[in-house]
Amino acid sequence: EVQLLESGGDLVQPGGSLRLSCEASGFTFSRFAMSWVRQAPGKGLEWVSAISAPGGSTYYADSVKGRFTISRDNSKNTLYLQMNSLRVEDTAVYHCAREGLVVPAAVYFDYWGQGTLVTVSS
Amino acid sequence: SSELTQDPAVSVALGQTVRITCQGDSLRNYYASWYQQKPGQAPVLVIYGENNRPSGIPDRFSGSNSGITASLTISGAQAEDEAVYYCNSRHSTVKHVVFGGGTKLTVL
Repeated sequence: EVQLLESGGDLVQPGGSLRLSCEASGFTFSRFAMSWVRQAPGKGLEWVSAISAPGGSTYYADSVKGRFTISRDNSKNTLYLQMNSLRVEDTAVYHCAREGLVVPAAVYFDYWGQGTLVTVSS
Repeated sequence: SSELTQDPAVSVALGQTVRITCQGDSLRNYYASWYQQKPGQAPVLVIYGENNRPSGIPDRFSGSNSGITASLTISGAQAEDEAVYYCNSRHSTVKHVVFGGGTKLTVL
């Protein structure tokens, strides 16, 4: 059974830093691209960042570029999101999501974690 | 603001058919995928690619794409289908992925 378990969410002051982790199990982690997707309270889904299966390619939404860094350790089956210079508007539940295997002209997330809550407030 | 546009809310009578739409320029070149999210739960993939259902998703869910519009159709909506539905696709230019703003489906 595929499982994605996020951790690391917390209450942090504006300008602070936080590192999220997502521990994967039930599949060959090193074969799949992964993403972080966030959801602010009462709002919709917002894609944040993605990383290729080997980890050599990374992608970011404009709203977090230069502040967040995605990484992975395939030996530990773990995905990370280093969040620096946090802003009030970064407050959200952060989900890690597995990108499904290649389908022509499509990108999709076939498994999601329950998420970890990041609250940025003074 | 989302670069994929969805109606904020749609309602359907129990057992009837409902179509939820998603519009955006990226859909000229990429298929939409669809997710169902119930309160307090993680999103669940219901349709991906041209019209593929993951294992366990009922066959009353189907997808279609035409021009800049993608549609999710639920044929014979059930009470348990009440949820928020999101579309996503690969962005047509800079971004990796884009989501629609979501459509809240109410089953009457």
